[in-house]
Amino acid sequence: SQTIHQWPATLVQPVGSPLSLECTVEGTSNPNLYWYRQAAGRGLQLLFYSVGIGQISSEVPQNLSASRPQDRQFILSSKKLLLSDSGFYLCAWSVSWGGYGYTFGSGTRLTVV
Amino acid sequence: GQQLNQSPQSMFIQEGEDVSMNCTSSSIFNTWLWYKQDPGEGPVLLIALYKAGELTSNGRLTAQFGTTRKDSFLNISASIPSDVGIYFCAGQEGSQGNLIFGKGTKLSVKP
Repeated sequence: SQTIHQWPATLVQPVGSPLSLECTVEGTSNPNLYWYRQAAGRGLQLLFYSVGIGQISSEVPQNLSASRPQDRQFILSSKKLLLSDSGFYLCAWSVSWGGYGYTFGSGTRLTVV
Repeated sequence: GQQLNQSPQSMFIQEGEDVSMNCTSSSIFNTWLWYKQDPGEGPVLLIALYKAGELTSNGRLTAQFGTTRKDSFLNISASIPSDVGIYFCAGQEGSQGNLIFGKGTKLSVKP
């Protein structure tokens, strides 16, 4: 069966520090991968999605970047964190055509201080 | 871009009451999905709908794909404290393409 792993679960980082959040999927190949951010426990904001290795689409211009170095690995990064980067970050995967919905990871709570 | 209007934004109900929430879209969707997010966790898929008019149940949950293909609703019968969380609708226009999510309905249940 397919599983998605996301870590760390919580992170407290100072302003100006770098960020690296990692997400891996097991039990499937060539998945679509997604990074979402959720502020204040409400709506889901799509940040990046990827349909293949090295293919990244950005939905919202911001202080973050994403990379997909391997088929089932998706990384969210920042060179210098801002206070406004605080939030709950969720990774998700879907089959390539997306019709069965997305499966989400358990999330990373990022607090920038 | 496409938007989903999900209502209500929040609900405060007594244990045992029934709950109803809905989503409407300006676009026609081929797929409607309902997710639940427990506090501090990622959303989990509850029900997926693939045909206009489809009515699907999952335990105390019932969801319907509207006949116009522009709306969907989710009902929860006889609510219990563990129903607390945020419920999201999501739609997909074609056979491919990213899901569009509603802004969520936050459900609070008083024992």
